Amino acid sequence: EAGVVQSPRYKIIEKKQPVAFWCNPISGHNTLYWYRQNLGQGPELLIRYENEEAVDDSQLPKDRFSAERLKGVDSTLKIQPAELGDSAVYLCASSPLGRAGSGNEQFFGPGTRLTVL
Amino acid sequence: AQKVTQAQTEISVVEKEDVTLDCVYETRDTTYYLFWYKQPPSGELVFLIRRNSFDEQNEISGRYSWNFQKSTSSFNFTITASQVVDSAVYFCALSEAGTGFQKLVFGTGTRLLVSP
Repeated sequence: EAGVVQSPRYKIIEKKQPVAFWCNPISGHNTLYWYRQNLGQGPELLIRYENEEAVDDSQLPKDRFSAERLKGVDSTLKIQPAELGDSAVYLCASSPLGRAGSGNEQFFGPGTRLTVL
Repeated sequence: AQKVTQAQTEISVVEKEDVTLDCVYETRDTTYYLFWYKQPPSGELVFLIRRNSFDEQNEISGRYSWNFQKSTSSFNFTITASQVVDSAVYFCALSEAGTGFQKLVFGTGTRLLVSP
């Protein structure tokens, strides 16, 4: 079974430029997550989707970040314009829709390492 | 509020040594899950274990073992007879009933270096 796929793996841009990251979750996984991982830190949730609906975007900096998951499968995360502080690894994860009260493990992709110059 | 603390930033051992990675958590929920993930240099987080708050039994899987103690809010991870392939960053994480178990809060990770 294929894992979570992300592209590109690496991206270098100059500040004020736009950038987009793509994620294809594991087939059949209804829930999709975007995380940001700063150097030396653990991942921090940016947004969570259940199917097409963004059910938790409280940590997404909405002035410059946007995300979409139009058909409930693939997702795109965009930054426009990028700032120096956005340099980080952006991780996508997915999990199946489990029974209520279950702590489903999340399956992570390899991430996109963004460098903003 | 939920919080996970991994006080050990980096640990270096020689192959075949045993090593324990510490994890201390904070939560107001009585129902929660604890996780350990491994992040090798390739960057992908690999799920290792999930434990719910009602199951304090220790678990062993090959060279890996986990010690869950609610009394000290700890969920420590031991690797027995470490190998070079164990070199990675290890993250402890927590999800609470209050978030529907959908929000994973990670610690800052412990980098393990196993030398030959």
